[in-house]
Amino acid sequence: GNSVTQMEGPVTLSEEAFLTINCTYTATGYPSLFWYVQYPGEGLQLLLKATKADDKGSNKGFEATYRKETTSFHLEKGSVQVSDSAVYFCALSDQGGYNKLIFGAGTRLAVHP
Amino acid sequence: GAVVSQHPSRVICKSGTSVKIECRSLDFQATTMFWYRQFPKQSLMLMATSNEGSKATYEQGVEKDKFLINHASLTLSTLTVTSAHPEDSSFYICSATGTSTGELFFGEGSRLTVL
Repeated sequence: GNSVTQMEGPVTLSEEAFLTINCTYTATGYPSLFWYVQYPGEGLQLLLKATKADDKGSNKGFEATYRKETTSFHLEKGSVQVSDSAVYFCALSDQGGYNKLIFGAGTRLAVHP
Repeated sequence: GAVVSQHPSRVICKSGTSVKIECRSLDFQATTMFWYRQFPKQSLMLMATSNEGSKATYEQGVEKDKFLINHASLTLSTLTVTSAHPEDSSFYICSATGTSTGELFFGEGSRLTVL
């Protein structure tokens, strides 16, 4: 079946460091791919998405490129801030749009001053 | 973005009792709501999909008689864990959609602890 695998956390970085959170997926067809972020005490929020191969999603300095050849959707940011500390979830939908999302386990990011 | 709120955020109950968790869309009409369950260090697992005014559609392996889902209005869905047992202890999250973009909006989650 379809699945999403994320790197285990926690990821601990100093402010202004480069961030990569790996995400790979298994799916039939051409799923849509998402990154969600959950800040402490809040619900998951959509961070970015990509709906077809080679698409790049970007938001708030974060980027991820849909790589079909490597079935990956790694999240990157060039310079993290303390306010980026949160849990990041990679997800896919094989039904189009946002229906029946399949999530990874989440990766906790802690950024220190 | 649109706001979805869950209540309670934390609940502790005794084994054998039932617990109700509410999920409300505060500023939009949610035609579809989803309920997820998350175990520590694991993925969110979709439990069921509910459309307003219809019976919920449960994912394989989810006991519909144990996890009762009601979506009686366009702004409220409830999950009732019946005859709860310690193994039902988990983090339950709802999400809702209904806006023109189809985007999902998530509640803050509800942590259930069954003693």
